[in-house]
Amino acid sequence: GQNIDQPTEMTATEGAIVQINCTYQTSGFNGLFWYQQHAGEAPTFLSYNVLDGLEEKGRFSSFLSRSKGYSYLLLKELQMKDSASYLCAARSLSTGFQKLVFGTGTRLLVSP
Amino acid sequence: EAGVAQSPRYKIIEKRQSVAFWCNPISGHATLYWYQQILGQGPKLLIQFQNNGVVDDSQLPKDRFSAERLKGVDSTLKIQPAKLEDSAVYLCASSTWGGMNTEAFFGQGTRLTVV
Repeated sequence: GQNIDQPTEMTATEGAIVQINCTYQTSGFNGLFWYQQHAGEAPTFLSYNVLDGLEEKGRFSSFLSRSKGYSYLLLKELQMKDSASYLCAARSLSTGFQKLVFGTGTRLLVSP
Repeated sequence: EAGVAQSPRYKIIEKRQSVAFWCNPISGHATLYWYQQILGQGPKLLIQFQNNGVVDDSQLPKDRFSAERLKGVDSTLKIQPAKLEDSAVYLCASSTWGGMNTEAFFGQGTRLTVV
């Protein structure tokens, strides 16, 4: 089975740093994705980790620890436009196909 | 590169009516997903195709939902008859098969309201 947990909601101030955590339990784990979803829009890809460690991409970084079943998304120099839901998704390899399962999402509100 | 196309964008129907959604994935993407996203929740996988074959439909309510992907390209998702709890956004996504960073690309979704 698969289980993905992330906080429901977070608030932060413009210019600050915020860390969104995600824990997962996935058999056949094959990678961890982070997506951003603005209200009323489709999810868009932010980052991907399959090996332990930190992946940095501009203001966004993502970390993975496979042994702990843990990932986080780090957003630096927050901007108002970063207000959105952030979805953690675990990919698993099962009987020859890849499956992508999403968490419930973390709604981030950035205030001035 | 054209993205994932979905239609219609919005649909309002009465309960017990039927509805169909259409998805055209990115050219060359073998994997196609249909997700249901209820307001305030994350996307829930309904069905996954690999080319024109179903590889996972474990969470598809098969008594009322059906999907097909003829010729391994376009896909349709149908609900018959619809219930109030089917009100949600239906997202289609596609990805390549194999490799490491094969992220899924999403369409704009179809917002279904059942009244």
